Order: sequence, then structure tokens, then C-alpha cells
Amino acid sequence: GAVVSQHPSRVICKSGTSVKIECRSLDFQATTMFWYRQFPKQSLMLMATSNEGSKATYEQGVEKDKFLINHASLTLSTLTVTSAHPEDSSFYICSARDLLNSYEQYFGPGTRLTVT
Amino acid sequence: GNSVTQMEGPVTLSEEAFLTINCTYTATGYPSLFWYVQYPGEGLQLLLKATKADDKGSNKGFEATYRKETTSFHLEKGSVQVSDSAVYFCALSGGQAGTALIFGKGTTLSVSS
Repeated sequence: GAVVSQHPSRVICKSGTSVKIECRSLDFQATTMFWYRQFPKQSLMLMATSNEGSKATYEQGVEKDKFLINHASLTLSTLTVTSAHPEDSSFYICSARDLLNSYEQYFGPGTRLTVT
Repeated sequence: GNSVTQMEGPVTLSEEAFLTINCTYTATGYPSLFWYVQYPGEGLQLLLKATKADDKGSNKGFEATYRKETTSFHLEKGSVQVSDSAVYFCALSGGQAGTALIFGKGTTLSVSS
């Protein structure tokens, strides 16, 4: 089956620093990737939709200058949390849409970010 | 806008009990409906899906039927196992192919032997 990886799986950083999270589709091409944020015991909230070769579309309330998204190839999207603060601590999950199967999204295992 | 409402958890059952997790949705157009499962420490996995009214999705003994008249997609399993303990998310995807998923809040299922 289709596999999506995320790296790193866990990261701890100091307040004010930036952190980059990678999302890769390992065995399929993905023109679209989605970034979600999951708070403890809550649902996944869509942050942005990332399309290969174009600017990401951010959901209302998500700061695009704080959460930089780059989708440079059909298999890689990155999320950079800039000038991180403790309130950015969360579980970040990406998903990728298979080019050949429009309704199917495959999820990465998630990245646990802790900002101290 | 589109939204998903699912029953609050946690749901605690004994092994071999019958499971129902309710899910209702609000959407314009003709969404596709999904159930995802998240096992402890793992990412989300697609459990089953239905793309049009009256479709029944099924997998691993779980079933859900897309009911347009009641805007529901309830998850059922006749006999749960301890290994089914996880968080279950109901989700919908808008009428346009490739749109992002909108998730319910998730329901935690705990099955004891």
C-alpha cells in the first residue's frame, strides 16, 4: 500500500528557533499534500493545502508567515515552524493524495513538536 | 460549511460486544465519507469509505452505510476485539476530488477482555 513518511518523528526545540518537518510519499506521486495539526484528545485541524509547484493555501486563522510550506516535488512537502513558541507544541500530521486515486489520502505517522 | 459530528467517547466495551459509533455530517454537494482509525502511537489509517449514497463500506468486520436521508455514516462492528482499541475518526471529503478531509473529534474505543 501507499506509504507516507514524516521526519522527524519527534523534535524538541527552544523557543525562538525554527523547525522543519518533512513529508514524503514513498511509492506514489502526490500533487497535493495536506498539513494537519492535532491537539491532545482532539480532532485533526487542517492547516493548509500544499500543491506541487505553487503556493500553499492556508486555512483561516493559520499564519502563513509562521508556518511556511514548500512543495517542491511530487514526493516532498515541508512545513517549517518559524520562531517557534510553546503554544506551537503539537502533533503535526501530513497526508498525501495519490495522483491516480483522487479520493484516497494517505497519512504520515505524525511529528510531535515540543517547544521549550 | 461542511462539518462532521461524532459521538463523544470514550466508549468502553467488553470483548465480543456490539459496537456502534454514531457519525452525522453537514455538507453541500455530494461528499465522500470515511472512517479512519488511529492505534496508540501510530498514524491514521483508512478503515473504510463510501463515495455515494447507500454505499456500504466494510473492512476488518467494521461496516458503515452512507445514508443521505439521515446524513449519517455510523460505524458498526458485530463483535469487537481487544485489538480494536483505538481512536476512530469520521471524516468527509467535499464534492470536488482531492479536497481536504474534515474530521470529527474522534471517539476513543477501549475493549477489555
